[in-house]
Amino acid sequence: DTEVTQTPKHLVMGMTNKKSLKCEQHMGHRAMYWYKQKAKKPPELMFVYSYEKLSINESVPSRFSPECPNSSLLNLHLHALQPEDSALYLCASRDLGRGETQYFGPGTRLLVL
Amino acid sequence: GNSVTQMEGPVTLSEEAFLTINCTYTATGYPSLFWYVQYPGEGLQLLLKATKADDKGSNKGFEATYRKETTSFHLEKGSVQVSDSAVYFCALSPPRGGSNYKLTFGKGTLLTVNP
Repeated sequence: DTEVTQTPKHLVMGMTNKKSLKCEQHMGHRAMYWYKQKAKKPPELMFVYSYEKLSINESVPSRFSPECPNSSLLNLHLHALQPEDSALYLCASRDLGRGETQYFGPGTRLLVL
Repeated sequence: GNSVTQMEGPVTLSEEAFLTINCTYTATGYPSLFWYVQYPGEGLQLLLKATKADDKGSNKGFEATYRKETTSFHLEKGSVQVSDSAVYFCALSPPRGGSNYKLTFGKGTLLTVNP
């Protein structure tokens, strides 16, 4: 099973709201990723967690706050977002011991009003 | 740094036509190469991969061969179906070493297959 799940599927929020995106995998993968994808573009890497520790932050604004509470779960906390943050947010995971393949979830489509 | 160049779309084909989407890369050493597919409104799905020179990845009738001499990983399918309409991304990850394995993506190619 190579399933990564993400909730919610869609999210609409105002610029003053606080919301969270959730990503879960039960494959035992110890690397997890957040990507942002704008329409008609490839995904852009935001954050990487390895063994539940943040290992890469691609200069993402502080209004995005990642969290990895355990090896199966990855959250992205959102606060004071801007309309230009509207995008598809993708989570991915990778088995650190067995290869380079990243497995993606279905994404959360975020609209900031 | 690493880079991936894939043919600009959109590509429009009739059902049962032959498909080629070109992908070339720049990287040091022997990266792993991937094709991901994104159907409308969905996330990315791994279509196929190859991890060393001359490997052929295949899945669902799609094939791609890792050509080190031409630094290419072109995607092919002999007979496309309407259900193959999607965006296709070529990607690479660096050779083994380090825990981060950042994927480098091409810009994506939109394929539309008409009945």
